[in-house]
Formats: sequence, structure tokens, C-alpha cells
Amino acid sequence: GAGVSQSPRYKVAKRGQDVALRCDPISGHVSLFWYQQALGQGPEFLTYFQNEAQLDKSGLPSDRFFAERPEGSVSTLKIQRTQQEDSAVYLCASSLDEREMETQYFGPGTRLLVL
Amino acid sequence: AQSVTQLDSHVSVSEGTPVLLRCNYSSSYSPSLFWYVQHPNKGLQLLLKYTSAATLVKGINGFEAEFKKSETSFHLTKPSAHMSDAAEYFCVVSLLTGTASKLTFGTGTRLQVTL
Repeated sequence: GAGVSQSPRYKVAKRGQDVALRCDPISGHVSLFWYQQALGQGPEFLTYFQNEAQLDKSGLPSDRFFAERPEGSVSTLKIQRTQQEDSAVYLCASSLDEREMETQYFGPGTRLLVL
Repeated sequence: AQSVTQLDSHVSVSEGTPVLLRCNYSSSYSPSLFWYVQHPNKGLQLLLKYTSAATLVKGINGFEAEFKKSETSFHLTKPSAHMSDAAEYFCVVSLLTGTASKLTFGTGTRLQVTL
């Protein structure tokens, strides 16, 4: 079946621009996660949704980062007034439900480059 | 706090020889531990997970890992490396916070397989 998909796969932005990154989770998956992976590092947790509810946003690095999942399926991560330090790969993951919540399935990521 | 330490940033083996990727964890509770693999331009793929059932966990593609509480280790092994195993490997610990499973990744080990 279809896995987690993300778009765009690559994004180049000028410093100060706003960007929006999209995640389509596996159909029927309740939980959705966003991670940020800097070059040469492991992914770091940003935020988590259960259906449409954002239950944890403790990893968002600043108030320029905003995530939503209004209908409990597709999610968008928005970064306002991008800075060079925002350059990273942004990964989305989903998991089925609370019983399987620890097995997260990852998308291919969006590579963001801020110039 | 929970964390994992991957002891080698880079490992090089010859095709057909054993693979050992080392990981130590720190956890206040009985942890859930995972190994994920990341091939270039592809999403993270779950290799195996330990959730306190059997201490020797078998995963996909011939990989396995042994949970050793006395050594706080969760090393990944494979008897015979294949060229297709060349990738980045991440050791991961899970922290359950409410209903969320927040993954904490190690810094990764790049596996190189030579002829």
C-alpha cells in the first residue's frame, strides 16, 4: 500500500520567505509526527498530532514554526520568515493508533535550503 | 531523560563479513528501543524494535539486535554484509508521554560496504 508521502521533496527559499511543507500520512493512521534532521545529525522531534489535535509541540524551535492537521489526515508544517538555520530535512511520520503508536512510518522528507 | 549514544559515526566492512553497529542507551524506565535505516533520498525504514519481550530481536534483511540491560546496550549485528546494506543507521529510544511516543534518535552510523 501507499506509504507516507511528502511534498515538495526539495524547496529552496530566500531568507525571510514563508514556506509550507505537506505530509500525507498512511490512510487511517491516527498519529502524525514531524521531525527536523540537520545535516549529519539524527532526526529531532518537532510536534505530534493525534487526529486533528496537536498534543505536543515542545520541539518546535521558535514561534515561526507552525503545524496543523485540520481534518485529521493531511498535515502542513509552515515556517514563517525563514532563516538559514532552518535549512534541514523535515520528516513526517505516522502511526496507526495507540496500540501501535510506537511503530512510526516515515516519509522521504522535504529538503529545505534557505539562502 | 532518555538518550542513545552510537559509538561509531562510520563503519566500513567488506562484503560477506559480519556487521556490528554499537549503541548504548540511557533510560530511567524499561525502554523501547529501535533501529532504523536510512538510504539516500529515501525515508527511514524500521529494521527492528525491542519492547521488553525477547531480548534477542530479529529484524528485516538478516539484521538482529540484543538488548543487554547490564551493559545498557542494544548493538545491531548481521552475519554477512551485502552491498545493499550501505546506508545510515540510527539507534532510537522511545519516550512515552501521555499518548505520544516521542522518538529520540542517535547521531547515526554510516555503514560502508566494500568489495
